[in-house]
Amino acid sequence: NAGVTQTPKFQVLKTGQSMTLQCAQDMNHEYMSWYRQDPGMGLRLIHYSVGAGITDQGEVPNGYNVSRSTTEDFPLRLLSAAPSQTSVYFCASSPPGDTQYFGPGTRLTVL
Amino acid sequence: AQRVTQPEKLLSVFKGAPVELKCNYSYSGSPELFWYVQYSRQRLQLLLRHISRESIKGFTADLNKGETSFHLKKPFAQEEDSAMYYCALSPLMDTGRRALTFGSGTRLQVQP
Repeated sequence: NAGVTQTPKFQVLKTGQSMTLQCAQDMNHEYMSWYRQDPGMGLRLIHYSVGAGITDQGEVPNGYNVSRSTTEDFPLRLLSAAPSQTSVYFCASSPPGDTQYFGPGTRLTVL
Repeated sequence: AQRVTQPEKLLSVFKGAPVELKCNYSYSGSPELFWYVQYSRQRLQLLLRHISRESIKGFTADLNKGETSFHLKKPFAQEEDSAMYYCALSPLMDTGRRALTFGSGTRLQVQP
């Protein structure tokens, strides 16, 4: 198993550009989530999904969209990037009642 | 709403010294507490969870509901323990959602 994979590893955007961060898992986990990691603030939940076709907002959802058309994939979309979205983004997945498995992260810089 | 506090941004100790990474939480219900570790250039990984009551890599943590704490301890630090440590909380009955609330993290530096 590859576990949780994320692409790209690094990305630089200009303010106003859009992009999609990809996340995939091959463990058939129902639960998937996106976090952002900022210095001094730990990880904060952006969006999560408890299964295909079901998504919900986390603590900091503004500026981000998600969809879950398959169990394996959970992309995160930035519609109009802002410098405040410069961060490291982590995707995670878990089976019911178990701990979360994290991806390697995507480092995003918005100029 | 739940909250996790890690008061120390950096903890520096010498090899062989005891280590205690502090974690306090606030939550009105029954929490499940975790410690995650992130080694340099690696992904975040689970170190231990209070429900399992395990000792992983010599680390232990006891949930103290009276003091709302979940401090991480190791009697003798090793250089390979140097990493970023995050305390996290999830509502105990939230088995479907599994949303984690993280503390801000403590960087542990173990000097030779």
